[in-house]
Amino acid sequence: KQEVTQIPAALSVPEGENLVLNCSFTDSAIYNLQWFRQDPGKGLTSLLLIQSSQREQTSGRLNASLDKSSGRSTLYIAASQPGDSATYLCAVDSGNTPLVFGKGTRLSVIA
Amino acid sequence: EPEVTQTPSHQVTQMGQEVILRCVPISNHLYFYWYRQILGQKVEFLVSFYNNEISEKSEIFDDQFSVERPDGSNFTLKIRSTKLEDSAMYFCASSITGTGGNIQYFGAGTRLSVL
Repeated sequence: KQEVTQIPAALSVPEGENLVLNCSFTDSAIYNLQWFRQDPGKGLTSLLLIQSSQREQTSGRLNASLDKSSGRSTLYIAASQPGDSATYLCAVDSGNTPLVFGKGTRLSVIA
Repeated sequence: EPEVTQTPSHQVTQMGQEVILRCVPISNHLYFYWYRQILGQKVEFLVSFYNNEISEKSEIFDDQFSVERPDGSNFTLKIRSTKLEDSAMYFCASSITGTGGNIQYFGAGTRLSVL
């Protein structure tokens, strides 16, 4: 059974700092991994999706990497801004229908 | 860009009442899903639906839950007799295919508050 873990659970950084969020999964036989952003009480905004054949994906200040063999993904945020404050979730598609989500990392960027 | 639409955004109900959460999936998608997120918890899979029947369901999806595609556009989740512990954010998602590697697109969610 796939399990997804995200570390740290919460992170507070000063504005302008680069940061890394971590996601690990127990079964490396995945099809893709997706990073979402969730603002308090709101829905899921898809940020990046990495297919199992890819090593990384970039969108603006965000870069997500995938090391399938070791069961890890990282989300790198460059030059963080207060508007980046949110919870970041990773979700794994193992080829079964449901996605398996991590619990998320709650990010606070302090101005 | 096509999107999954959920209504209402917030539903307040009394314990024991029935609620229906509504979703309009992306028009050419064939697979539909419901997930829920209890406050502070992980997003959890409830049920998937294809070709007018449930294709998979989790242990959470017990007899008080049901899903339906009443017409060509809506996909609904009914909770027959709500309990306090049903309070959560409910997300609908849809995808073109159900095979591995499909991309699921999520709606903005319905916040259900059971009093």
